[in-house]
Amino acid sequence: QVQLQQWGVGLLKPSETLSLTCAVYGGSFTDFYWNWIRQPPGKGLEWIGEIHHSGRINYNPSLKSRVTMSVDTSKNQFSLKLRSVTAADTAVYYCARGDLLYPFDYWGQGTLVTVSS
Amino acid sequence: DIQMTQSPSTLSASVGDRVTITCRASQSISSWLAWYQQKPGKAPKVLIYRASSLESGVPSRFSGSGSGTEFTLTIRSLQPDDFATYYCQQYSSYSWTFGQGTKVEIK
Repeated sequence: QVQLQQWGVGLLKPSETLSLTCAVYGGSFTDFYWNWIRQPPGKGLEWIGEIHHSGRINYNPSLKSRVTMSVDTSKNQFSLKLRSVTAADTAVYYCARGDLLYPFDYWGQGTLVTVSS
Repeated sequence: DIQMTQSPSTLSASVGDRVTITCRASQSISSWLAWYQQKPGKAPKVLIYRASSLESGVPSRFSGSGSGTEFTLTIRSLQPDDFATYYCQQYSSYSWTFGQGTKVEIK
């Protein structure tokens, strides 16, 4: 059974860097794209980006200038960094498994990241 | 980006009702559309993929239809466990985008 477990710092000050990691247990790590998606409190879902074990990356253009994703295939983990955060980046951040021809079928538990001075 | 627009934003219904949610894409996405259900404090769960294919384990009262730019999610007979928020998502063209959500409330 596939499980995604994520962790990271939950409280940041404006201008700091958000950092989250997601570990994948079970299933193939190399056959899928690994995604980050966020959801501001009480609002809808926004796709942040995806990474493949090969290093292929796609980012949401609206966040591309501040986002870096990386992958550690030896640990079946992938990570997100979002620079220069503001209050608008306050959200629950999810990691999720996807594919080019298939939607997000497995999700992490979510991490609430709050940006406040 | 392809914009996804859902309607209605909120829907009040009773147990046993037939419920339909609509999702429109700003350009054709063929059948590359998924539907998700989200409950408070939980991650979304995929119900339908490729517009009309039922994800394994999802009750058959859920169904999806449509292609191109207009899609629907239908719940044949609403059950207590179905009160939740539903999102559509296109995976036709980067970047992947979601509808704004439809909250199904108890009438």
